[in-house]
Amino acid sequence: NAGVTQTPKFQVLKTGQSMTLQCAQDMNHEYMSWYRQDPGMGLRLIHYSVGAGITDQGEVPNGYNVSRSTTEDFPLRLLSAAPSQTSVYFCASGAGVSYNEQFFGPGTRLTVL
Amino acid sequence: KNQVEQSPQSLIILEGKNCTLQCNYTVSPFSNLRWYKQDTGRGPVSLTIMTFSENTKSNGRYTATLDADTKQSSLHITASQLSDSASYICVVSLRTGTASKLTFGTGTRLQVTL
Repeated sequence: NAGVTQTPKFQVLKTGQSMTLQCAQDMNHEYMSWYRQDPGMGLRLIHYSVGAGITDQGEVPNGYNVSRSTTEDFPLRLLSAAPSQTSVYFCASGAGVSYNEQFFGPGTRLTVL
Repeated sequence: KNQVEQSPQSLIILEGKNCTLQCNYTVSPFSNLRWYKQDTGRGPVSLTIMTFSENTKSNGRYTATLDADTKQSSLHITASQLSDSASYICVVSLRTGTASKLTFGTGTRLQVTL
């Protein structure tokens, strides 16, 4: 099993550009989520999904869109990148009771100029 | 407000020494508490999980304790190794409907040196 994979590993964008961060998991987990990690702050939940066709907002959803057309994939779209979105983004999939056991991908480091 | 606070922010110890990391939380209703290890440039990996009724849980050289009354947890690392250099994140799970709500601490950055 590859677990949770993310692409790209690094990305530089200009303000106003759009892009999609890819996330895939091969563990057949129903739950998937996106977090951002900023210096001096704990991971913060952006969006999550409890199954194909179901998505919901987390703590910091503004400026991001998600969709879940398959169990395996959960892409995160930045509609119009802003410097405040410079961060490290982690995708995770969840198992166990209430999906509280989460498996994280390797992360995408995004810089918005 | 649900919060998880960790101390110290950073720690440097010599290889072979022991250390203890602290986690205080105000999350309620509490479901469980996990400690994650995050190597530089990697995603967090779960080390231990503790539920309300558990006081101590070990995973090799890592031992986590939980005092649900005082809402404190600690992670003790015995006979540290260079490979223990990482950030250690305390994560508390809030008991909600379908999906647990996780509150993450900011982590303790541990550096083990020769």
